Amino acid sequence: QSVLTQPPSASGTPGQRVTISCSGRSSNIGSNSVNWYQQLPGAAPKLLIYSNNQRPSGVPDRFSGSKSDTSASLAISGLQSEDEADYYCAAWDDSLTVYVFGTGTKVTVL
Amino acid sequence: QLQLHESGPGLVKPSETLSLTCTVSGGSITSSTYYWGWIRQPPGKGLEWIGNIYYSGSTYYNPSLKSRVTISVDTSKNQFSLKLSSVTAADTAFYYCARRGNPYWFDPWGQGTLVTVSS
Repeated sequence: QSVLTQPPSASGTPGQRVTISCSGRSSNIGSNSVNWYQQLPGAAPKLLIYSNNQRPSGVPDRFSGSKSDTSASLAISGLQSEDEADYYCAAWDDSLTVYVFGTGTKVTVL
Repeated sequence: QLQLHESGPGLVKPSETLSLTCTVSGGSITSSTYYWGWIRQPPGKGLEWIGNIYYSGSTYYNPSLKSRVTISVDTSKNQFSLKLSSVTAADTAFYYCARRGNPYWFDPWGQGTLVTVSS
């Protein structure tokens, strides 16, 4: 039921900027706010960005989110080894009446 | 600091009912601001939202699972629970409980519990 499409992988060297895209529809990203979750290996997901571009307390400002029309993006600037994880976008879908998650992107630090 | 912890059997037989409980500590489940939800993740795969409950007992389920899901709350124990009936191998997954805020986001999450459906 993944109606939010993400690239399966992204990579960068330490210090680089990495961007992950999340493509949706008018019924989800186009109508509702987008959240991003980080899932470190073997751990539960953690909220990274909410309401398109807001960071919960404790999340480094290296992480930033944006939204435009039916797409959203997560940017990681100053990539660090501990950022190696799976990243998921998510939003409520008004047509499906379901909270949908993206397909997930695995970020590798080279 | 709010913490959530899932508990329940790690192995369930096909056609039986999966039952899990989420215990909330460090905060009250009766907060008027939040809902409480369940999300699952098959090993090596993506995330799927199962449903939410408010402390009053009001629920909302993923339509694809609605016929098999029941989420309930016990405010006296600061717990909420998940029941999934008629399970098959496709229900094998890590099950997470989480607090749901507004607009729709989940934070924090429990550490998750793996439930395997097998005879």
